[in-house]
Amino acid sequence: GQQVMQIPQYQHVQEGEDFTTYCNSSTTLSNIQWYKQRPGGHPVFLIQLVKSGEVKKQKRLTFQFGEAKKNSSLHITATQTTDVGTYFCARPRDNYGQNFVFGPGTRLSVLP
Amino acid sequence: GAGVSQSPRYKVAKRGQDVALRCDPISGHVSLFWYQQALGQGPEFLTYFQNEAQLDKSGLPSDRFFAERPEGSVSTLKIQRTQQEDSAVYLCASSYLVPIPPNTEAFFGQGTRLTVV
Repeated sequence: GQQVMQIPQYQHVQEGEDFTTYCNSSTTLSNIQWYKQRPGGHPVFLIQLVKSGEVKKQKRLTFQFGEAKKNSSLHITATQTTDVGTYFCARPRDNYGQNFVFGPGTRLSVLP
Repeated sequence: GAGVSQSPRYKVAKRGQDVALRCDPISGHVSLFWYQQALGQGPEFLTYFQNEAQLDKSGLPSDRFFAERPEGSVSTLKIQRTQQEDSAVYLCASSYLVPIPPNTEAFFGQGTRLTVV
């Protein structure tokens, strides 16, 4: 299946700064998921976006799904050291299946 | 159980040895996935089961890799004649499909770190 691209690959921020990671696909997606993986841990589901132009918030995290359903973003406001980890987006391997293909991830470091 | 359980957590195998990795999914979860994650990379899909049926095994890198889920719950990933390039973390995930609205949240286990020496 098609890969998804994520940028940036790495991001170092000072605690309190904002952070954004972008996920881009060359094809239209039926939905997209975001996961967080702490160092030494396993991926943990954050959210699934389905609708064109959808925006969802979880406390300091804001997730967007593009109007064309080809890109998505995750924005963290006022980062904390607990936000450290790698953030992956994942797209369905086929159009409506449960099977997902993960992007390469954005590794976030937060300096206290 | 409370979550997806994988065993062993760590496995060191000599090159050429066969290994078997076990995954206990969350009770009632229909779907089960195996992923391979190399250091610093995202999880790479290996195979997918719905109940006992293996619906997609296109991600298995070679015929040395074999997965089964005979009774639709516990799954085993077997790697024969291990090679150094097989060294990675093997992640298992399970999910319970809720079709409307689509909700396919996958719950991951802690993974098995395989080191082939």
